[in-house]
Amino acid sequence: DSGVTQTPKHLITATGQRVTLRCSPRSGDLSVYWYQQSLDQGLQFLIHYYNGEERAKGNILERFSAQQFPDLHSELNLSSLELGDSALYFCASSVAGNHPERNEQFFGPGTRLTVL
Amino acid sequence: DAKTTQPPSMDCAEGRAANLPCNHSTISGNEYVYWYRQIHSQGPQYIIHGLKNNETNEMASLIITEDRKSSTLILPHATLRDTAVYYCIVRVGTSGSARQLTFGSGTQLTVLP
Repeated sequence: DSGVTQTPKHLITATGQRVTLRCSPRSGDLSVYWYQQSLDQGLQFLIHYYNGEERAKGNILERFSAQQFPDLHSELNLSSLELGDSALYFCASSVAGNHPERNEQFFGPGTRLTVL
Repeated sequence: DAKTTQPPSMDCAEGRAANLPCNHSTISGNEYVYWYRQIHSQGPQYIIHGLKNNETNEMASLIITEDRKSSTLILPHATLRDTAVYYCIVRVGTSGSARQLTFGSGTQLTVLP
């Protein structure tokens, strides 16, 4: 158990719909990352938040957005869903401490999104 | 981040050492080598990292060549539960807020009974 929780575990929805994925980082971790893993694209970084502020964007579509709240949990919002958005979505957290090179990221169990 | 090359798949007999290679010939002096693994459809898990010295922890050992252009992750006594995709990632260590990870294709390690 990494200490990172994600809800829901599974989500089935239809094209055109909007969903929200939730992530709670490990206690004390200020950074939250979102990754998408599809069969043909592998693990791809989407977005990084640090203490409520967006720090980096990766291959995140304009239909997707995220935020990190004052209690440090994060939500990933996916809208106008398409069949190709079906994937595993992972959240990870990390803390920058006295050994920044460690940069160990702790991954949650993921949310499996199926768009029909 | 420097590019890495890993074999797509490897087999290992249970109880034997698994040696997973990674080439990173364009690595820079301030880049670290990180290893993560992903057991089927679970979230990736950090294993170990190093800069130039060999490293060992409770999970594995990391051997980095003197020129730092390649490294080997060693699982000393592989078990069936070590069957997973292993990712070698090369990137700079950072201060302040840590950076995202860039995953390649990794090596599918299958531990055989």
